[in-house]
Amino acid sequence: GAVVSQHPSWVICKSGTSVKIECRSLDFQATTMFWYRQFPKQSLMLMATSNEGSKATYEQGVEKDKFLINHASLTLSTLTVTSAHPEDSSFYICSASRQLNEKLFFGSGTQLSVL
Amino acid sequence: SQQGEEDPQALSIQEGENATMNCSYKTSINNLQWYRQNSGRGLVHLILIRSNEREKHSGRLRVTLDTSKKSSSLLITASRAADTASYFCATAITGANSKLTFGKGITLSVRP
Repeated sequence: GAVVSQHPSWVICKSGTSVKIECRSLDFQATTMFWYRQFPKQSLMLMATSNEGSKATYEQGVEKDKFLINHASLTLSTLTVTSAHPEDSSFYICSASRQLNEKLFFGSGTQLSVL
Repeated sequence: SQQGEEDPQALSIQEGENATMNCSYKTSINNLQWYRQNSGRGLVHLILIRSNEREKHSGRLRVTLDTSKKSSSLLITASRAADTASYFCATAITGANSKLTFGKGITLSVRP
């Protein structure tokens, strides 16, 4: 099956710093990637849809200036958490699909801890 | 509230038993998918059932879909300790291009 690589797997940072998370589709071109946030023992909350070559579409309540998404190529999307604060601590997961409305391939997730 | 709602929230069974998990949704869908997540990891796709399908099998997995009741079930037969994980249903809503909406998930524990 298709592979989506996400890194780093975990990151600890100081409050006020920015953190970049990368998501790569290794063996297919992903025109659309998705970024989710997940709190412990809870569901995935879609943050934004990342479209190659255009601006990301953010879900209601997600600050686009806080969570910067760049989809510079058909195989790479990045999420940058700017000026991170402890409340941004969470598990962030990316995904991509080969076709619209078909199954998603997920990265392994990034556990962000902001001190 | 969530588009997909699974029940039960948690399920504990003995190895070898069958596990049945249910999912209900609210709006018209293109397809419904089930995913599995091991703790601290990403999700893995298990099975996809389209709105015009009623039942689908994949190995020890059996999924049903009842669009009149807006519900789906996932059956895992002859469970193994390695099946211990969280299971999520996700719906591809008609008209919402490519965006999947996930339920809250079911925690399955299989005791060896």
